[in-house]
Amino acid sequence: AQTVTQSQPEMSVQEAETVTLSCTYDTSESDYYLFWYKQPPSRQMILVIRQEAYKQQNATENRFSVNFQKAAKSFSLKISDSQLGDAAMYFCAYRNAGGTSYGKLTFGQGTILTVHP
Amino acid sequence: DTGVSQDPRHKITKRGQNVTFRCDPISEHNRLYWYRQTLGQGPEFLTYFQNEAQLEKSRLLSDRFSAERPKGSFSTLEIQRTEQGDSAMYLCASSKTGFTEAFFGQGTRLTVV
Repeated sequence: AQTVTQSQPEMSVQEAETVTLSCTYDTSESDYYLFWYKQPPSRQMILVIRQEAYKQQNATENRFSVNFQKAAKSFSLKISDSQLGDAAMYFCAYRNAGGTSYGKLTFGQGTILTVHP
Repeated sequence: DTGVSQDPRHKITKRGQNVTFRCDPISEHNRLYWYRQTLGQGPEFLTYFQNEAQLEKSRLLSDRFSAERPKGSFSTLEIQRTEQGDSAMYLCASSKTGFTEAFFGQGTRLTVV
């Protein structure tokens, strides 16, 4: 079974600064996807960024980028130029790419990000 | 299309009562998932539907839980004889075969008193 671990229960950052959220995972599969989801208070979870395991290039979406280290099974999220609207719970998630996974996601415990003005 | 819709948003029930939640996925999404999220934790997978077929159930889904997706459209999750340990946020997500992204609803927060 796959597991996802987020070792930082809480992180904080000053507005306009950069913050990195950590995630490690464990799997015996070679083909999979990794995601970062954002869950603002009382609002629905939305996808921030996605990484395909077969791609060596790290994914980037505007101010959000990842550092994907496949051998180390590490998948961190970097938020640049932090904004007040980035404050939320962030979840790292794993999904097998094929077989009978059906797209089921395995989530980490989450990291609460606070952005200070 | 307004995304994945869940109803109700909040439910307070007495221990031992039955509750039912509804999820309306994004139209044309053939895959539908239910997850449970307890306070301060990440969501945990409960069950998965492809069209109307329930193809996978987690061991978390005890006999008191049942889910349906008639006609492959909306889905319902019923909890019978609720227990305090059932208090959680129940999330529904949908996706389309061949696409990697799942879209989540806002969830139903259940409180069992």
